[in-house]
Amino acid sequence: DTGVSQDPRHKITKRGQNVTFRCDPISEHNRLYWYRQTLGQGPEFLTYFQNEAQLEKSRLLSDRFSAERPKGSFSTLEIQRTEQGDSAMYLCASSSHNEQFFGPGTRLTVL
Amino acid sequence: GQNIDQPTEMTATEGAIVQINCTYQTSGFNGLFWYQQHAGEAPTFLSYNVLDGLEEKGRFSSFLSRSKGYSYLLLKELQMKDSASYLCVVRGSSNTGKLIFGQGTTLQVKP
Repeated sequence: DTGVSQDPRHKITKRGQNVTFRCDPISEHNRLYWYRQTLGQGPEFLTYFQNEAQLEKSRLLSDRFSAERPKGSFSTLEIQRTEQGDSAMYLCASSSHNEQFFGPGTRLTVL
Repeated sequence: GQNIDQPTEMTATEGAIVQINCTYQTSGFNGLFWYQQHAGEAPTFLSYNVLDGLEEKGRFSSFLSRSKGYSYLLLKELQMKDSASYLCVVRGSSNTGKLIFGQGTTLQVKP
């Protein structure tokens, strides 16, 4: 257990539905990252928060995706109108310096 | 562009030594990490190199040559539990600290 938690651990949804994931980072970490990982590949960067400010977004993050970190603590990632191609593991990580600590991930399956 | 190359799969024998190589070409460089990932789990930090040379940490060592864009992870006294995916990861020069992952090397340790 790295101290980063994610909820839910698994989500199965039908195409077109909206889903929201939550990440609780290590409390003293000001940096929070979201990554997406598909089978057999390494994680890909989605977005980055420093405290409550979203400072970078990947071009992978289409307009159907939105992320927030309202009080600089937990973060949410919402996917609207899900597509089958959104099926993946969504990983959250937090850091204060060099090392990023990853949560267990939310595995999304879009039917 | 960003490109990180590492072998897809490797096999080694319990008790032996294995070296996993990684070459990278990225638009910026601010450190190289190795992460271990067991199937269905989140990546966990193994090592960090920012200067050229060897970093040793128990059974694991990591080497970096920035001029060659090359790193390796050395695992000694292999144990069955070392069977996992090993991810070569570069932190680019952006201020965000976002990580760029290779696809990972799946290591199978056989008795």
